[in-house]
Amino acid sequence: DQQVKQNSPSLSVQEGRISILNCDYTNSMFDYFLWYKKYPAEGPTFLISISSIKDKNEDGRFTVFLNKSAKHLSLHIVPSQPGDSAVYFCAASAGTQGAQKLVFGQGTRLTINP
Amino acid sequence: DAGITQSPRYKITETGRQVTLMCHQTWSHSYMFWYRQDLGHGLRLIYYSAAADITDKGEVPDGYVVSRSKTENFPLTLESATRSQTSVYFCASSESGSYGYTFGSGTRLTVV
Repeated sequence: DQQVKQNSPSLSVQEGRISILNCDYTNSMFDYFLWYKKYPAEGPTFLISISSIKDKNEDGRFTVFLNKSAKHLSLHIVPSQPGDSAVYFCAASAGTQGAQKLVFGQGTRLTINP
Repeated sequence: DAGITQSPRYKITETGRQVTLMCHQTWSHSYMFWYRQDLGHGLRLIYYSAAADITDKGEVPDGYVVSRSKTENFPLTLESATRSQTSVYFCASSESGSYGYTFGSGTRLTVV
């Protein structure tokens, strides 16, 4: 049972345009959400996060939106750059369950075309 | 150097053999985790540890054993490797109270 789902395995965007990556979750106990970025042959690196008490968090070119009623979050990258080409993982945590365990989605491979 | 290191980076082993993947972190983070990455499944939690001598199962623990006698080390052992355990394994650590993990570079394990 996949509690965190990224339904788009891949996404191709032109340089300079907006990239939108989507993530859905099923567990209503999740209260903290994160996005990680992964380059080939490297470990994932933390990108941006959002608490369930917020609906938006922005960090430079990256913005994460949370829609709790729809159990949906999205990552917006504006403008997209070639260095953004990577696999992006959405992750969620149910803080009340302790241990800070993160549940990850399947990942979306983003390709930025020049 | 400060950080989290995994060894080996690549490993090929035969079915039925025991193999141990190493993970070492220099920050004295309380929490350590082992994930496996497989196409179509993303990252799945195998085992985690909240402190030395405290470990617990994650989503896919079968066939794996962990130990944590020292805060900085968290080895993962495949007791009798199977082809289904061919995967990329990532170790991660985090401070208590923090959701942000720091991942190692991964170990690509192939079981033939």
